[in-house]
Amino acid sequence: DTGVSQNPRHKITKRGQNVTFRCDPISEHNRLYWYRQTLGQGPEFLTYFQNEAQLEKSRLLSDRFSAERPKGSFSTLEIQRTEQGDSAMYLCASSLGTGSNNEQFFGPGTRLTVL
Amino acid sequence: LAKTTQPISMDSYEGQEVNITCSHNNIATNDYITWYQQFPSQGPRFIIQGYKTKVTNEVASLFIPADRKSSTLSLPRVSLSDTAVYYCLVGDSGRGRGSTLGRLYFGRGTQLTVWP
Repeated sequence: DTGVSQNPRHKITKRGQNVTFRCDPISEHNRLYWYRQTLGQGPEFLTYFQNEAQLEKSRLLSDRFSAERPKGSFSTLEIQRTEQGDSAMYLCASSLGTGSNNEQFFGPGTRLTVL
Repeated sequence: LAKTTQPISMDSYEGQEVNITCSHNNIATNDYITWYQQFPSQGPRFIIQGYKTKVTNEVASLFIPADRKSSTLSLPRVSLSDTAVYYCLVGDSGRGRGSTLGRLYFGRGTQLTVWP
């Protein structure tokens, strides 16, 4: 257990429905990242927060995706009008963002299946 | 961003030392080399990070030659529980001009299978 929690762990939805995932990072970590991972591939960067500010969004993040971190603590990732191609593991990670360390602490992920 | 190349898969037996080499010919001056481990249905876990020469911790050693165009992760005396995917990444930590802001770029990794 890294101290990063994600809920739910699994989500099955029908195409066209909206889904929302939650990530609770390690409390003192100011940086929070979302990644997506499909079978046989490494995680792909989606977006990044420093405190409550969303500083970068990957081109992978279409207009149907939105992420928030309203108080600089937990974060939510919402996918609107889900498509089958959205089926993947969604990973959240957090880090302290100081020093020269690239150590990010990953949560267990939310596995999304779009039928 | 520097691209990394590592073997898709490796096999070993329990008790052996495993060395996984990663090439990163376009590594930038500010880039660190970081290795992560991932078990099925779990998020990646940080193993080790280095800039040059050799770094050792309780889990692994990381060897980086002077030109930094490659690196080798060394796992001593592997056990069955070391069966996992190992990712080699290069990037800066989020400081300085042109920073990658600490975001990580994973390739496909190396699937290490340890046999009894």
